[in-house]
Amino acid sequence: ELKVEQNPLFLSMQEGKNYTIYCNYSTTSDRLYWYRQDPGKSLESLFVLLSNGAVKQEGRLMASLDTKARLSTLHITAAVHDLSATYFCAVGFMDSNYQLIWGAGTKLIIKP
Amino acid sequence: NAGVTQTPKFQVLKTGQSMTLQCAQDMNHNSMYWYRQDPGMGLRLIYYSASEGTTDKGEVPNGYNVSRLNKREFSLRLESAAPSQTSVYFCASSERLAGGSLAKNIQYFGAGTRLSVL
Repeated sequence: ELKVEQNPLFLSMQEGKNYTIYCNYSTTSDRLYWYRQDPGKSLESLFVLLSNGAVKQEGRLMASLDTKARLSTLHITAAVHDLSATYFCAVGFMDSNYQLIWGAGTKLIIKP
Repeated sequence: NAGVTQTPKFQVLKTGQSMTLQCAQDMNHNSMYWYRQDPGMGLRLIYYSASEGTTDKGEVPNGYNVSRLNKREFSLRLESAAPSQTSVYFCASSERLAGGSLAKNIQYFGAGTRLSVL
């Protein structure tokens, strides 16, 4: 079964702290996406990770991919309130004709 | 910069009514998608169209039909709405399907349609 699991599903943290969101997937994939969704809004692409060891950074967010462990991480450095949102990972599996299978999302609340 | 445009934004239906959700993209993308989003479940693919003239079932196609009208437009139809179809529906498009190359093939999303079936 093609599965994508995120944890934690909910995270409340203080501004200035660091934290990591994890995305595990069940079988071989050559690509992983991270998206952000603000409440009541659409989804916005953050990162695309296409190879083992890929690392992408944008501001306080950094994403990495370990294809051998079937794991991606989204690391938040010195969190600020504006990063409060729900973050999704999505994986493209060859077995699903490369249709994206989505994690359940991590709702991140950053308190001032 | 329209991107992906969905209509309507909100809709309330009674059980058994039918409706069509419209989606259009102006990015000259080949592939288009319909998802539904339910609380705590992420996005689930209903149908997709890899290219103009083709459509395929996704994870949860039952109760839905789609039409790829042309390269720009991809509509989703509920023939007889049921309360279980209460959800937020998103249309998305990408240059091509996600895999098999080094191209990013990012999916770009519309603003969503919030549908309630009573």
